[in-house]
Amino acid sequence: DADVTQTPRNRITKTGKRIMLECSQTKGHDRMYWYRQDPGLGLRLIYYSFDVKDINKGEISDGYSVSRQAQAKFSLSLESAIPNQTALYFCATSDWNGYTFGSGTRLTVV
Amino acid sequence: SQQGEEDPQALSIQEGENATMNCSYKTSINNLQWYRQNSGRGLVHLILIRSNEREKHSGRLRVTLDTSKKSSSLLITASRAADTASYFCAPGLDNYGQNFVFGPGTRLSVLP
Repeated sequence: DADVTQTPRNRITKTGKRIMLECSQTKGHDRMYWYRQDPGLGLRLIYYSFDVKDINKGEISDGYSVSRQAQAKFSLSLESAIPNQTALYFCATSDWNGYTFGSGTRLTVV
Repeated sequence: SQQGEEDPQALSIQEGENATMNCSYKTSINNLQWYRQNSGRGLVHLILIRSNEREKHSGRLRVTLDTSKKSSSLLITASRAADTASYFCAPGLDNYGQNFVFGPGTRLSVLP
């Protein structure tokens, strides 16, 4: 099994729908992150969590929310999806060795 | 947090040639990491170099760090078509290598 697992891998949803992206990890890391990547661009941080009780906004948190259900689980929700949230979403964990990324969720909002 | 700026934005070489990409950053760091991203996939950690190191090797990868110039370079020797990917640097601000911000990367194309 992958160290960082994201579900679903691909999702098409309609404008206005609520959608949740899930992430689980077996690395035992405290720190977890959600990033968004648009074509040809770098990764932009949406939210990050240093432990179960610590949740922080990143640079583009508007329109998103997160839940850290356990050390191993960190989910991202789009409360009311809009087309410009169409992107590739990555979950990641980190320790002193650096980041471990999931394989990504390709989200399309139509 | 700070963003690493990769240069060039795109690089195209022939198989067997060496590829060099550079990274600049603005503030003091604890370490610097390089990552590779194959199209549409997650970033994969390649190598981490600490601020007290000047050079590090891993297989065909060679990373240098010049803290006085706030720059790093990644050299891939004897490149292969499978090295085609985007490469990102991440300046790490603490012992966890925290950076949070990734730049647009260098898109490397290795032509057969």
